[in-house]
Amino acid sequence: GEQVEQLPSILRVQEGSSASINCTYENSASNYFPWYKQEPGENPKLIIDIRSNMERKQTQGLIVLLDKKAKRFSLHITDTQPGDSAMYFCAVTNTGKLTFGDGTVLTVKP
Amino acid sequence: DMKVTQMPRYLIKRMGENVLLECGQDMSHETMYWYRQDPGLGLQLIYISYDVDSNSEGDIPKGYRVSRKKREHFSLILDSAKTNQTSVYFCASSPDRVGVFFGKGTRLTVV
Repeated sequence: GEQVEQLPSILRVQEGSSASINCTYENSASNYFPWYKQEPGENPKLIIDIRSNMERKQTQGLIVLLDKKAKRFSLHITDTQPGDSAMYFCAVTNTGKLTFGDGTVLTVKP
Repeated sequence: DMKVTQMPRYLIKRMGENVLLECGQDMSHETMYWYRQDPGLGLQLIYISYDVDSNSEGDIPKGYRVSRKKREHFSLILDSAKTNQTSVYFCASSPDRVGVFFGKGTRLTVV
């Protein structure tokens, strides 16, 4: 099946700075790349996604970049706030099977 | 408001007992999923269901089976639970096999 590598596994940043998480995948047929945020004890919630026909997408302080040639995509959180502290997962899908990275624990220090 | 409902939310079972986890969705989504999540780790796909009685193994199906007799219900069954099946189990559904909506999870402890 698909393999997704997500780095870093732990990320600590200062409030107001930006945070970046990177994911790589193996199957060039993958066509949808969502990002999920999961707070402790909660379910993962979709925060932003990008399809394979796009290279960049931005919404409310979140930017996703997709490099299909390199099979790499990334999440950038600008102007981080303490409320952004959570676990973040990238995922990859084709044919409906969603494969997740192992997650990044983001801590935003006040 | 789209909703995926999981029951029960917390469950403690003894090793060797049978376990039934239930999931419902009120959105008429065709595709439903069962994932498990272990502490500090990502979500691993157990089974995917494309519609009633159309189920497919995910990445870690061993020790589990599923049942989908109605589009809105998808059950995960553990026959003779093992301690290494202690985990948080998430059900999810999707209208288009792209956007996926998760339930709140069931925290299963096998002692």
